[in-house]
Amino acid sequence: DTEVTQTPKHLVMGMTNKKSLKCEQHMGHRAMYWYKQKAKKPPELMFVYSYEKLSINESVPSRFSPECPNSSLLNLHLHALQPEDSALYLCASSQDGAGGGTEAFFGQGTRLTVV
Amino acid sequence: GNSVTQMEGPVTLSEEAFLTINCTYTATGYPSLFWYVQYPGEGLQLLLKATKADDKGSNKGFEATYRKETTSFHLEKGSVQVSDSAVYFCALSDAMEYGNKLVFGAGTILRVKS
Repeated sequence: DTEVTQTPKHLVMGMTNKKSLKCEQHMGHRAMYWYKQKAKKPPELMFVYSYEKLSINESVPSRFSPECPNSSLLNLHLHALQPEDSALYLCASSQDGAGGGTEAFFGQGTRLTVV
Repeated sequence: GNSVTQMEGPVTLSEEAFLTINCTYTATGYPSLFWYVQYPGEGLQLLLKATKADDKGSNKGFEATYRKETTSFHLEKGSVQVSDSAVYFCALSDAMEYGNKLVFGAGTILRVKS
C-alpha cells in the first residue's frame, strides 16, 4: 500500500474561519510533509516533520499551523487565511526522516478556496 | 543552492510519437533524481527514480538515465498515448539532516492528440 490519504478533497472557507486539513499514511514512513501548489506551478515545501517532530518550517506565516499527533497522521490548521492562500495543499511522506535519496509519496491534495 | 531546469512547454504530440522532456540539474553532492506526473485535478505520482550516476529509471514505458557528466535526467517514451497527457515534474532530493526536500523543476505540460 503506497497510499497517502488527504481529507477533505475540496474546502471553501471564509477569511475568519478556522479549518483543518488532514493527512494519513500507513506505510510506516517517518517523515511527512506539507506542500502548497499554485496553479501552473510546482509544489513549494511548507513544513517537514521527522519522527513526529517539526524539523523544517520554510518561513510559513503563522496562520498555517501544522500538527503531527502520531507517526501516521499530519494535520494543517488554518486560521485567518487570505484569498491568496487559495491553492492545492499536498501532503507527502517518505521512508526516512534523515539523509536523502528516498522518494516521497503524495496524496491527492486538498483544493482550498478562501473567500 | 540546488536547482532543476526543465524544458518549457506545452509539448504537443500526436499519439504514438516519441517523447523527450529535457531536465538538467545543479547540485552539490549526488542527489537522487525523480520524475513525477500530475494528472488534471490530482496529486503527484512518482513515475520513476534514479539514485546514482548511470542508473536508469523506468516505468510504464517511460525511461530516464542519470547522467552525471551532463547533469541531466531526460524523460523519454517511445510511443505516447492520449492518456499520457499530464504535467511532468523533474525533481531532485536535497538531503538534509532531518527530512528530504524535493526541489522541483517548473513542470512541462504534455498534450497528446489522437
